[in-house]
Amino acid sequence: AQSVTQLDSHVSVSEGTPVLLRCNYSSSYSPSLFWYVQHPNKGLQLLLKYTSAATLVKGINGFEAEFKKSETSFHLTKPSAHMSDAAEYFCVVSEGSSNTGKLIFGQGTTLQVKP
Amino acid sequence: DGGITQSPKYLFRKEGQNVTLSCEQNLNHDAMYWYRQDPGQGLRLIYYSQIVNDFQKGDIAEGYSVSREKKESFPLTVTSAQKNPTAFYLCASTLQGAWTEAFFGQGTRLTVV
Repeated sequence: AQSVTQLDSHVSVSEGTPVLLRCNYSSSYSPSLFWYVQHPNKGLQLLLKYTSAATLVKGINGFEAEFKKSETSFHLTKPSAHMSDAAEYFCVVSEGSSNTGKLIFGQGTTLQVKP
Repeated sequence: DGGITQSPKYLFRKEGQNVTLSCEQNLNHDAMYWYRQDPGQGLRLIYYSQIVNDFQKGDIAEGYSVSREKKESFPLTVTSAQKNPTAFYLCASTLQGAWTEAFFGQGTRLTVV
């Protein structure tokens, strides 16, 4: 069965410094992996997705993630944090075995950006 | 513009009452989903539907019911049997297939008073 673990529940960075949000996954199949962002009391917005093409995936707002099969990781990075990046981030794996499109969510990481 | 619309944004319910949350999409997506979000617990799947007039229970379906009479609509009813209904509810839709991303509505915050 698929599962997702976000290794940090809370990350705090200063504006202009790099961001690293860590995600490990478990899957018996070639997974589809996603990162979503959620601002307070809002829906989720897709940042980027991995679907077995390039292992380095570029997303919106300067975010990118690297799929590392040997480490079963899909960490999210950004070179320079902006105040508007403060939000909740979810690493997600698609339940690829049954092709239902069901998504399995990590617990979320709250990113705080300090001025 | 295409998207998913959830209504209302805020909903208050008295204990013992059923309430229905609306979810409409004009993306022509086949599959629709309801998730519940509680602080520190990520999102948990309540129900999903891959086709009109068919739906399946997710991980936490007890105390909830759904219908899928139209492709565009997937309402969720929170019944009085749901022991702890206060939460943020998110509706999502996808094209069929495991490789496609989900599009989310803006959510409904339900509070039991």
